[in-house]
Amino acid sequence: AQTVTQSQPEMSVQEAETVTLSCTYDTSESDYYLFWYKQPPSRQMILVIRQEAYKQQNATENRFSVNFQKAAKSFSLKISDSQLGDAAMYFCAYRSANSNSGYALNFGKGTSLLVTP
Amino acid sequence: NAGVTQTPKFRVLKTGQSMTLLCAQDMNHEYMYWYRQDPGMGLRLIHYSVGEGTTAKGEVPDGYNVSRLKKQNFLLGLESAAPSQTSVYFCASSYWEGTDYSGANVLTFGAGSRLTVL
Repeated sequence: AQTVTQSQPEMSVQEAETVTLSCTYDTSESDYYLFWYKQPPSRQMILVIRQEAYKQQNATENRFSVNFQKAAKSFSLKISDSQLGDAAMYFCAYRSANSNSGYALNFGKGTSLLVTP
Repeated sequence: NAGVTQTPKFRVLKTGQSMTLLCAQDMNHEYMYWYRQDPGMGLRLIHYSVGEGTTAKGEVPDGYNVSRLKKQNFLLGLESAAPSQTSVYFCASSYWEGTDYSGANVLTFGAGSRLTVL
């Protein structure tokens, strides 16, 4: 199974500043999908952004963008102009392009983001 | 649309008791999943289903059984609960759209069910 590694258990950022969350993964596949999910204290899992491996252009969603480095198997999330509402646990996830595991997501262990005023 | 609904939201069990978690989705999704979330472990796949009447094992299936008798429901059962099964359980669903899977298979999650086994 593919391994997803988030090496930062906790991160902190000041309001209005920029923070980058790291994610690396291990795979032998050439086609796959990568995701960042946010889990606030409510426990609800919220999709933040996704990236198709066959696309070279980095995905962006408003203040959220990714730095996808396919050769390095790296998929970092950049949050610009951080807001108090961004405080949450962030999970990086991998999805294979084949159906062997029912297209299930394989998650990293998460990074807890604290946003300070 | 309610999306993905999990019941119950909270439950306390004694070791050896049995229970069933119900996941219901109203989006006509083909694929459904059960994950468990433990501190410092992320979400781990327990079982999944690719359609009505089908189930398959995920990463951590031991001690759990599942059934998908109706397309909209995915049940997770614990026959003899153990303290190691204390966790937060998440159900999710997604759909498969022909050969264009760029838009498909974005998982929609339920709100989670916290289970404590004493």
